[in-house]
Amino acid sequence: RKEVEQDPGPFNVPEGATVAFNCTYSNSASQSFFWYRQDCRKEPKLLMSVYSSGNEDGRFTAQLNRASQYISLLIRDSKLSDSATYLCAPTTRFGAGTRLTVKP
Amino acid sequence: EAGVAQSPRYKIIEKRQSVAFWCNPISGHATLYWYQQILGQGPKLLIQFQNNGVVDDSQLPKDRFSAERLKGVDSTLKIQPAKLEDSAVYLCASSPSGNDEQYFGPGTRLTVT
Repeated sequence: RKEVEQDPGPFNVPEGATVAFNCTYSNSASQSFFWYRQDCRKEPKLLMSVYSSGNEDGRFTAQLNRASQYISLLIRDSKLSDSATYLCAPTTRFGAGTRLTVKP
Repeated sequence: EAGVAQSPRYKIIEKRQSVAFWCNPISGHATLYWYQQILGQGPKLLIQFQNNGVVDDSQLPKDRFSAERLKGVDSTLKIQPAKLEDSAVYLCASSPSGNDEQYFGPGTRLTVT
């Protein structure tokens, strides 16, 4: 079993759509959780940290369920600029990423 | 604020040769990471330093890979000898401490022929 598993994707959605990504992790000792976005041939950049109480940053909402070892990311009102690969990262272990393409 | 610097940006070598990568983290960041990212996969942690001590090197292929962080600032990652499967992007990242978000450098794209 992989340490971090993400929806394989790709996700192709129209502008304005709501899209959700899921991630599970195996290390129950993980202390911190993040979502990063990675554009093609670029380095990962932090999208948002994920807290147990859930947190929101504009159109983005992240949830963490420690008991189920599950992390989610919800993107509302998708924009063309949201097209990227989204990486789930419990501490220093990264998932393979889920690719999102938002189309006009 | 200057970001994480890496060099070189690109490197092409033949198998069995050696190669070294350099990283300068964000000023004041105590934690430095080296990742390997193979095309189509997520970054894989190779080694994590806290100041100049190693926190996690469990996924570092120690028979061929080595890394050091002298004086707790800059770091170098070396591969000797390189194999075809080492072709990847090598990313350096830094964070204020071990549980904080990471800031990545632009990476070094290595091609082993």
